[in-house]
Amino acid sequence: DVKVTQSSRYLVKRTGEKVFLECVQDMDHENMFWYRQDPGLGLRLIYFSYDVKMKEKGDIPEGYSVSREKKERFSLILESASTNQTSMYLCASQRSRGNYEQYFGPGTRLTVT
Amino acid sequence: GENVEQHPSTLSVQEGDSAVIKCTYSDSASNYFPWYKQELGKGPQLIIDIRSNVGEKKDQRIAVTLNKTAKHFSLHITETQPEDSAVYFCAASITGRRALTFGSGTRLQVQP
Repeated sequence: DVKVTQSSRYLVKRTGEKVFLECVQDMDHENMFWYRQDPGLGLRLIYFSYDVKMKEKGDIPEGYSVSREKKERFSLILESASTNQTSMYLCASQRSRGNYEQYFGPGTRLTVT
Repeated sequence: GENVEQHPSTLSVQEGDSAVIKCTYSDSASNYFPWYKQELGKGPQLIIDIRSNVGEKKDQRIAVTLNKTAKHFSLHITETQPEDSAVYFCAASITGRRALTFGSGTRLQVQP
């Protein structure tokens, strides 16, 4: 069964802290994505990766960076957390060929105080 | 870039009734239109998708229609059941690009 796991369901951090959100998939998918979900705004793409060590900016990359050192793991980094980064963060993975279905993790609800 | 608008933001129906959610997109190059369902505490899950060479697709009680000329597509759920209660997202993607642009979501509530 397809599985995408995220390191934490809930996270509380202070303004200015460096925050790491981890995502792991067990499906050998090439593509991985980070979205943030806010009420009334849907899901917005932060970064995505088509391969190990490759990354591309999405629609809202400011204040974020990513790391993909291994195929199964995609990390989202908030270099200096701010209150406007309080949100639900969703990771997804996808095969590079065939159907376009994205498989999502359960999300991490991050609160920055 | 692509912009996807979704309506309504909330929808309440009686069990057994039909529900329709509508989306419009801006980029005529988009050719892939999925619908995701998000249940409470879970990540979104694909329920149906359609590509631009098809006008309609059905899967049991769920159907999606696409009008490329008008740049809009719709999700139709017939004979709604309480377990259909969730947030539904439409999305669009340009040919060859795997990243999706999502709509703002519709919270569907099915009253028993």
